[in-house]
Amino acid sequence: EAQVTQNPRYLITVTGKKLTVTCSQNMNHEYMSWYRQDPGLGLRQIYYSMNVEVTDKGDVPEGYKVSRKEKRNFPLILESPSPNQTSLYFCASSLQGSSYEQYFGPGTRLTVT
Amino acid sequence: AQSVAQPEDQVNVAEGNPLTVKCTYSVSGNPYLFWYVQYPNRGLQFLLKYITGDNLVKGSYGFEAEFNKSQTSFHLKKPSALVSDSALYFCAVRDDHQAGTALIFGKGTTLSVSS
Repeated sequence: EAQVTQNPRYLITVTGKKLTVTCSQNMNHEYMSWYRQDPGLGLRQIYYSMNVEVTDKGDVPEGYKVSRKEKRNFPLILESPSPNQTSLYFCASSLQGSSYEQYFGPGTRLTVT
Repeated sequence: AQSVAQPEDQVNVAEGNPLTVKCTYSVSGNPYLFWYVQYPNRGLQFLLKYITGDNLVKGSYGFEAEFNKSQTSFHLKKPSALVSDSALYFCAVRDDHQAGTALIFGKGTTLSVSS
């Protein structure tokens, strides 16, 4: 089954404790992206990757890091989480770039206390 | 800069009535336009897109959208609403002149269909 998986689905952590949210897709997509969803703000893009070893900032990259060492994986790293990073995070992938239909993962709800 | 607006936070319709969820956009080039739907506790699902061609685009679950260049709009429509259509709907836009840039999402419109 074609899908995007994210782990963990729920995470509660404390300020400053490094964490990684994994994202994996099995569709051989070149493009992958991370979004955060906040009430009243819709989805905002954090980082995206056009292909392996090619990443770029989205609209709200501060406080986040990503890497794309393999085509299927695109982890999101929070080196020192802060309470304002409490949000619902989605990973998405598409065939080639944002002009194509994006497939979204189920989401990761992160709470930073 | 590109932007997208969904002027209504919530749309309420009765089952069987037609529904419209509004979206307007602003880009410097030609727009790539999308509609996505989000059901509770789920990720977003693609409904339809406009890249070029016919201004009326048909998508999943009986939805359609009309691209209007002069009004810079891309409203989502369905002739007869179902209770199961109740969800959060997002319009998104990308400027074709800016390769590799983000897909910009609207803030979302909650559709509530009553029986």
